[in-house]
Amino acid sequence: EAQVTQNPRYLITVTGKKLTVTCSQNMNHEYMSWYRQDPGLGLRQIYYSMNVEVTDKGDVPEGYKVSRKEKRNFPLILESPSPNQTSLYFCASSPFGWGEAFFGQGTRLTVV
Amino acid sequence: AQSVAQPEDQVNVAEGNPLTVKCTYSVSGNPYLFWYVQYPNRGLQFLLKYITGDNLVKGSYGFEAEFNKSQTSFHLKKPSALVSDSALYFCAVRDLQAYAGNMLTFGGGTRLMVKP
Repeated sequence: EAQVTQNPRYLITVTGKKLTVTCSQNMNHEYMSWYRQDPGLGLRQIYYSMNVEVTDKGDVPEGYKVSRKEKRNFPLILESPSPNQTSLYFCASSPFGWGEAFFGQGTRLTVV
Repeated sequence: AQSVAQPEDQVNVAEGNPLTVKCTYSVSGNPYLFWYVQYPNRGLQFLLKYITGDNLVKGSYGFEAEFNKSQTSFHLKKPSALVSDSALYFCAVRDLQAYAGNMLTFGGGTRLMVKP
């Protein structure tokens, strides 16, 4: 089954404690991206990757890091989380060009 | 830069009535348009897309959308709403002429409430 898998689904952490949210896709897609969803703001892109070792900032990259060492994986790293990073996070993948994006189930992160 | 506006935070409709969820977009080149739906505690699910061709696009679950280039709109429609259609709907755009780095730009979302 074609899917994008994120882990964990729910996470509560404390300010400053480094965390990683994993994302994996099994569709051999070139594009991968991270979004955060906040009420009334829709989905805002954090980082994206057009292929292995190629990453770039989206609209709201501050406080986040990513890496793309393998085509299927695109982890999101919060080196020092802060309460304003409390949000619902989605990973997505898409084939290069015309295909629609496939989304993971989401990770609800709470930073206290 | 590309942008999407969904002017209604919420749309209320009675079951069996037609529904419309509005979306307008702005891109410098030709648009690649999408609608996604989000049910509670779920990820976004693809409904339909427009690239070129017929301005009326048919998608999943009986939804359709009408592309209007002169009004830069891509409204989502369904002839007869179901209670199970109640969800959060997102319009998204990608500029086909722009550098393809930014995968999608989303609107703020519209909550559709269908009442029995």
